[in-house]
Amino acid sequence: RKEVEQDPGPFNVPEGATVAFNCTYSNSASQSFFWYRQDCRKEPKLLMSVYSSGNEDGRFTAQLNRASQYISLLIRDSKLSDSATYLCVVNPRNQFYFGTGTSLTVIP
Amino acid sequence: EAGVAQSPRYKIIEKRQSVAFWCNPISGHATLYWYQQILGQGPKLLIQFQNNGVVDDSQLPKDRFSAERLKGVDSTLKIQPAKLEDSAVYLCASSLWPRTEGFNYGYTFGSGTRLTVV
Repeated sequence: RKEVEQDPGPFNVPEGATVAFNCTYSNSASQSFFWYRQDCRKEPKLLMSVYSSGNEDGRFTAQLNRASQYISLLIRDSKLSDSATYLCVVNPRNQFYFGTGTSLTVIP
Repeated sequence: EAGVAQSPRYKIIEKRQSVAFWCNPISGHATLYWYQQILGQGPKLLIQFQNNGVVDDSQLPKDRFSAERLKGVDSTLKIQPAKLEDSAVYLCASSLWPRTEGFNYGYTFGSGTRLTVV
């Protein structure tokens, strides 16, 4: 079983829409969780960490559900500039595992 | 703050040739990672260093890949001999470690080296 699984999409949404991505992980001992954003032909960049209590950064909200072993990312009021691949990252045993990424295209 | 530096940006080689990539992490970052990202996939960890010691190299194809981090700063990743399936982007990342309780450290990637094996 993979350490991290994501729906690869693609998600095509209109501007202003709300979109949510989920990511499941297999190791219940995982301690740290992150969402990264990767633009085409660029390196991944940290979007936000995910805390147990949930956290918000502007239009982005990340949540962690330890019981069901998944993390989520909610993007409200989507902008054209949000078009990218979103990677979830899970950290069990001092190692970082990436999901395959979810592709998002925001359409005018 | 200077980011993670990698070179070269692009490399094209023929199969069975050798190639080396270089990485200079963010100053003060003790942990350094090499990832392989094949088109359409998420990054896969090849090797993790803590200072100049190897923490995890379980997914490094040791028959052809090698990496070192002398003096706990710069690192090089080598492929010898290269195969067609090694075509990918090789990403270096660094982070602060150990993790401070209650705070999640992410890490910072370099811009990567895009390798094409023909």
